[in-house]
Amino acid sequence: KNEVEQSPQNLTAQEGEFITINCSYSVGISALHWLQQHPGGGIVSLFMLSSGKKKHGRLIATINIQEKHSSLHITASHPRDSAVYICANAGKSTFGDGTTLTVKP
Amino acid sequence: EAEVAQSPRYKITEKSQAVAFWCDPISGHATLYWYRQILGQGPELLVQFQDESVVDDSQLPKDRFSAERLKGVDSTLKIQPAELGDSAMYLCASSFRGLQETQYFGPGTRLLVL
Repeated sequence: KNEVEQSPQNLTAQEGEFITINCSYSVGISALHWLQQHPGGGIVSLFMLSSGKKKHGRLIATINIQEKHSSLHITASHPRDSAVYICANAGKSTFGDGTTLTVKP
Repeated sequence: EAEVAQSPRYKITEKSQAVAFWCDPISGHATLYWYRQILGQGPELLVQFQDESVVDDSQLPKDRFSAERLKGVDSTLKIQPAELGDSAMYLCASSFRGLQETQYFGPGTRLLVL
């Protein structure tokens, strides 16, 4: 069983919708990493967080250490947000299997 | 903007052959990671270097895989002999000091073993 679990596995949304991707982990962590992977394979770091909430543009990441849960939110989604979103236990470098997001115009 | 460089971008090889991948991390980054990503799954850590020393290679199949970072800068990952199941994306990442810091990923090397 993967230490880092993501849901949903696949997500399709219409442009403009609010999107939530969830990440749960089974072991304690000191920091959680949210990453974005585009179809060509390139991975970009979105957030590293250890508590509370972080916001960058239309992206918001939250983490609840006690509940071992984190969420990534995208407001006013756009087709260019289509990608695989991956969360990772930054302290152990273990990754979830990713959530494939498709935003339709 | 500084980037992690990897080469080659694509590699096709026959099983039982040897294959090598190269990674040049962002200048000044002490920590370098090699990951393997099978299609549809998240990256799996193969080896982590801190400068020239291996910090974690617990998931590296040492009977066929080897990695080195002799001068603590660029790194090479080798597979010998390659097997069909090794077909995957091999990703290199670097961070300034360690796991608690943001990792910057290279474009990856997509390996196909025939």
